[in-house]
Amino acid sequence: DTEVTQTPKHLVMGMTNKKSLKCEQHMGHRAMYWYKQKAKKPPELMFVYSYEKLSINESVPSRFSPECPNSSLLNLHLHALQPEDSALYLCASSHPGAGELFFGEGSRLTVL
Amino acid sequence: ELKVEQNPLFLSMQEGKNYTIYCNYSTTSDRLYWYRQDPGKSLESLFVLLSNGAVKQEGRLMASLDTKARLSTLHITAAVHDLSATYFCAVEIGSQGNLIFGKGTKLSVKP
Repeated sequence: DTEVTQTPKHLVMGMTNKKSLKCEQHMGHRAMYWYKQKAKKPPELMFVYSYEKLSINESVPSRFSPECPNSSLLNLHLHALQPEDSALYLCASSHPGAGELFFGEGSRLTVL
Repeated sequence: ELKVEQNPLFLSMQEGKNYTIYCNYSTTSDRLYWYRQDPGKSLESLFVLLSNGAVKQEGRLMASLDTKARLSTLHITAAVHDLSATYFCAVEIGSQGNLIFGKGTKLSVKP
């Protein structure tokens, strides 16, 4: 299994909603990532988990809250988002320190 | 602050032609990656270049890395329409998967 699976693929939410994005991998990777990609822009790192511990938080607003329940799962909890948070949210995984990241299909988020 | 610059940002080529995409970066790094992204889709890993002088080839694509010049190239040979996509290079900061991406090169191959 060489896939990173993200759900949902599409999400529309209001600014007062609470929702979550989910990511799962079964490649035995112990590093997982959230990247954000705005339209026609390159991806930008949000968070890195290594061995289920948060190791990098790229100054992301607190309305985004990551969670890594176990080595296969990564969640991104969303609350009180703004329209400018609309983007494609990409999950990725890798062996820690090994470099090559494998990306999921992404969750396309629209905030109304 | 690490900067990654790709050029060109847009490339329109005819089938059968050759071309090169360039990726320059501003600080020392020994890890460079090339990804492909189709519209509305995720990132597909193409090449991982881990040392100076590394050269890798897959089909009509060949990537190389010169860490001394801080330059990577992605060479396209005899382009075909299926290669139309956006190509990103990315340089790793540290060793925790923090990739800094270039702006991407949108490649359009016309018959």
